[in-house]
Amino acid sequence: ETGVTQTPRHLVMGMTNKKSLKCEQHLGHNAMYWYKQSAKKPLELMFVYNFKEQTENNSVPSRFSPECPNSSHLFLHLHTLQPEDSALYLCASSHLAGGNNEQFFGPGTRLTVL
Amino acid sequence: RKEVEQDPGPFNVPEGATVAFNCTYSNSASQSFFWYRQDCRKEPKLLMSVYSSGNEDGRFTAQLNRASQYISLLIRDSKLSDSATYLCVVNFDRGSTLGRLYFGRGTQLTVWP
Repeated sequence: ETGVTQTPRHLVMGMTNKKSLKCEQHLGHNAMYWYKQSAKKPLELMFVYNFKEQTENNSVPSRFSPECPNSSHLFLHLHTLQPEDSALYLCASSHLAGGNNEQFFGPGTRLTVL
Repeated sequence: RKEVEQDPGPFNVPEGATVAFNCTYSNSASQSFFWYRQDCRKEPKLLMSVYSSGNEDGRFTAQLNRASQYISLLIRDSKLSDSATYLCVVNFDRGSTLGRLYFGRGTQLTVWP
């Protein structure tokens, strides 16, 4: 399925590296999301963009910096991460922001911080 | 207190069994309710929405009890392909803030032959 794609699928980085995660949706949606999924924990919402505008930042540390240049693309820039940031990072999109809109998820980027 | 609580399981059942999952949510103002399914090392996908009157989709039946803030999912005639983690998901709006989804930790199901 190619509705929501994410690259890279796997990433290993050191604490001093800078990297970016990319998400692209081909569904014509207007809202995009970043989630973090750690082992044994629920999905945690990180950021919400609606029509390219950030509408929610769920108290995410500044070492995570999102960017949404248009409604189809979403980036997550990573800088000086910590080992506890290792997790699966999932991108999602929906027609509009708002919980009653079905969210479609990408396959995720599995991040390991050494 | 967690927004959404689920029994993490695991539930191990034979093919053909009926299995039920329960979920409770803390915010009485919650408005929309869903079950998502997540296969091992895959992304979550919407299984079904949950409506106040209860709803059925083939072998799957979802029920909502707003008074008790309780949601359930019943799977009849389990198949091997039903093996997955089932995520209970709840939404509520907060004033001018657009609604956001709250996910439970998920309940793991394994169906064996």
